[in-house]
Amino acid sequence: DTAVSQTPKYLVTQMGNDKSIKCEQNLGHDTMYWYKQDSKKFLKIMFSYNNKELIINETVPNRFSPKSPDKAHLNLHINSLELGDSAVYFCASSQEESHSGANVLTFGAGSRLTVL
Amino acid sequence: GQNIDQPTEMTATEGAIVQINCTYQTSGFNGLFWYQQHAGEAPTFLSYNVLDGLEEKGRFSSFLSRSKGYSYLLLKELQMKDSASYLCAVMDSNYQLIWGAGTKLIIKP
Repeated sequence: DTAVSQTPKYLVTQMGNDKSIKCEQNLGHDTMYWYKQDSKKFLKIMFSYNNKELIINETVPNRFSPKSPDKAHLNLHINSLELGDSAVYFCASSQEESHSGANVLTFGAGSRLTVL
Repeated sequence: GQNIDQPTEMTATEGAIVQINCTYQTSGFNGLFWYQQHAGEAPTFLSYNVLDGLEEKGRFSSFLSRSKGYSYLLLKELQMKDSASYLCAVMDSNYQLIWGAGTKLIIKP
């Protein structure tokens, strides 16, 4: 029943490790996103994919690599984790591509990453 | 630069009315969104305004004035479950969503 599901919900790891967060949506949406929400609660777009193609790639370190095997999945792999990567990462999807005003996002429940 | 301003925190009483303001300065405008986010949960869509005026949806209403770069979210007949953060987001001329930091609303009995 879950529309946008991401795993794991919690992730605690050491600096320097590599980790992945997975996201799947069953809404039939064409566009998927990764957002980062830091301790100050700002939501920042990281990546956006439309039908498996990258359309937004904000200024994120290249340690972050998204992968979209099909339009229902968008995974986020992070290499060489740093303390500053600690945040909540939200996956989201929308029916319309970004170039549409009424672009309502459906978010996953979030993955809280803590880097020690 | 682009900027979205909203109060950090507000407190209101159960059964009352509260207005959460949002002012924005963005490069272009293609609509303004309000999302609700309960602690530890995902943001969920509340409203979308692209034309000036008031949009009403049950207990929640959202107002937009494009000339003033201003919006508000009005919550009536407050319930304890309305305790949450309310996020204002503006879509700019490049159709990028610019997010505010959110207003934490605390409802007291």
